[in-house]
Amino acid sequence: QQQVKQSPQSLIVQKGGISIINCAYENTAFDYFPWYQQFPGKGPALLIAIRPDVSEKKEGRFTISFNKSAKQFSLHIMDSQPGDSATYFCAADDQTGANNLFFGTGTRLTVIP
Amino acid sequence: DTAVSQTPKYLVTQMGNDKSIKCEQNLGHDTMYWYKQDSKKFLKIMFSYNNKELIINETVPNRFSPKSPDKAHLNLHINSLELGDSAVYFCASSQGITTYGYTFGSGTRLTVV
Repeated sequence: QQQVKQSPQSLIVQKGGISIINCAYENTAFDYFPWYQQFPGKGPALLIAIRPDVSEKKEGRFTISFNKSAKQFSLHIMDSQPGDSATYFCAADDQTGANNLFFGTGTRLTVIP
Repeated sequence: DTAVSQTPKYLVTQMGNDKSIKCEQNLGHDTMYWYKQDSKKFLKIMFSYNNKELIINETVPNRFSPKSPDKAHLNLHINSLELGDSAVYFCASSQGITTYGYTFGSGTRLTVV
């Protein structure tokens, strides 16, 4: 069973545009929501993360929006650049000590010049 | 210095063979993981070790056996390799019973022919 649902599967955006990737979850025990960025041939790398006590977190061009009541969170990439082309994964954890991040299925982002 | 290093980066082998993948982290973390990423990029946890003790063992064939000689190393041994084992295997580490600061290696692409 997929604990975290992610959409879209792939996304093509023009340079300078806004990329938006959405995730949804059911387990209300989740309290940590990171996003990972993966370039071809590399491992996923932590991009930005949020806890449910805030509704938004911004780091540079990357923003997480979090809607606790809807159990949804999204990644916004402002002024998207070709160098942002990668696969993005949302994830969630319940911090129960099992040390298990539940990953979404990934979104392949392509930013065209 | 690479934080989480895996060897080999590529592994091509015949069905029925036994192979090992090694992982080492120099971050001082005490928890290490193995993830499998299939051809659709889906990331699924296989094993988790905390201070050399197994804490997560997902539904993985018993042909896969992790071994942690110390908390900086987590190796994955696979017996009787099958075509379906072809995937990218990622090692990761984190500190304590938390997934904050999860750090992935760059992966080992296993191809079984």
